[in-house]
Amino acid sequence: EPEVTQTPSHQVTQMGQEVILRCVPISNHLYFYWYRQILGQKVEFLVSFYNNEISEKSEIFDDQFSVERPDGSNFTLKIRSTKLEDSAMYFCASSQLPGPYEQYFGPGTRLTVT
Amino acid sequence: QQQVKQSPQSLIVQKGGISIINCAYENTAFDYFPWYQQFPGKGPALLIAIRPDVSEKKEGRFTISFNKSAKQFSLHIMDSQPGDSATYFCAASRSGGGADGLTFGKGTHLIIQP
Repeated sequence: EPEVTQTPSHQVTQMGQEVILRCVPISNHLYFYWYRQILGQKVEFLVSFYNNEISEKSEIFDDQFSVERPDGSNFTLKIRSTKLEDSAMYFCASSQLPGPYEQYFGPGTRLTVT
Repeated sequence: QQQVKQSPQSLIVQKGGISIINCAYENTAFDYFPWYQQFPGKGPALLIAIRPDVSEKKEGRFTISFNKSAKQFSLHIMDSQPGDSATYFCAASRSGGGADGLTFGKGTHLIIQP
């Protein structure tokens, strides 16, 4: 069964450093999303992406964040200058059709900012 | 107005019993209501979803009940099994024409006792 994959599974970085989280969405999906989950809290929407541009973003997705689809398979989330409060699980998701439609989540990347 | 309120925060059910988790929303533009199941260390997995043109949807042991006038929906797990022990999130989204993000509830930690 096709699935969303994410790398790395765990990333530790120092405050102020840039990090790039990578995702490979399901191959025939066209819509891509990033969510985050701070430990013990709910999953929060960050951004959605379609046709090489941002479709929707939340208030969390400020100028420190950017997304890119550098090739035909990868989808990345970049955090330019990490803060302690960026520590969270980051989930990538993809869907075949635009919202509202089934979104399939990857296993996540645990980001720890020290 | 974007919130989805979920209860209870935690739930213990005996094996074979019925687990019931409730959610309420405020935004009347929401028209897609999925439930996700999350095991520790994993990403949320789509369990079942409903749109407001029906009041109930059943898939195996999982049933969503939807009350549009009350702006409430619930997940019922019949014949609950220890393998159902997980965190369950309700979510909601709207048909915005683009890649709309999901608004999640805070989650319910379900434990099924053998």
